[in-house]
Amino acid sequence: AQKVTQAQTEISVVEKEDVTLDCVYETRDTTYYLFWYKQPPSGELVFLIRRNSFDEQNEISGRYSWNFQKSTSSFNFTITASQVVDSAVYFCALGSSNTGKLIFGQGTTLQVKP
Amino acid sequence: DAGVIQSPRHEVTEMGQEVTLRCKPISGHDYLFWYRQTMMRGLELLIYFNNNVPIDDSGMPEDRFSAKMPNASFSTLKIQPSEPRDSAVYFCASSLGRRTSLYLSNYGYTFGSGTRLTVV
Repeated sequence: AQKVTQAQTEISVVEKEDVTLDCVYETRDTTYYLFWYKQPPSGELVFLIRRNSFDEQNEISGRYSWNFQKSTSSFNFTITASQVVDSAVYFCALGSSNTGKLIFGQGTTLQVKP
Repeated sequence: DAGVIQSPRHEVTEMGQEVTLRCKPISGHDYLFWYRQTMMRGLELLIYFNNNVPIDDSGMPEDRFSAKMPNASFSTLKIQPSEPRDSAVYFCASSLGRRTSLYLSNYGYTFGSGTRLTVV
């Protein structure tokens, strides 16, 4: 069975702080995809990144970085020098290469205060 | 590309009425998904289709819910009769087939803007 756990329900930081959002997943698939989505207050789901299970390279995109560790089944997301505009709900998701199914974690609400 | 298009954006209906939500996936995408988002249960997968065929409807809450995909460019999610506990945001998403997507750097699931349903 597939499962995604985002243990942090809410995080509050002050602007310019670094913040890491945790994601742990479970799957029996040998090939799978991991995603992060952002849901700002406006409600839409915005795609941030995809990682394939066979590519454990970490990735950096501006202030965002992702740490994929297959050994611990984790795919953590770090925002460096957070800004108020980063305030949103962030979802980690797991896609199955066998079924095409995508399931989500419960989401982490990030509040960045000025 | 206009993205995944959902309609209506907002729907308010009375308990007992039939509600139909609509989705137009991205052209060329062969997977279509319906999700429901509530505070209590988060983002739940209700049903998904591959090449217009329902693959897994185990997330559909009850017989009051039904989904169809008559062609590659259109899908509906119907609730009949609606109840207040159906109030939620319903998202539609589409994606490319998994076999081809392994090699596509931009593979992802693209979501529509959602339909906010309120049943009073």
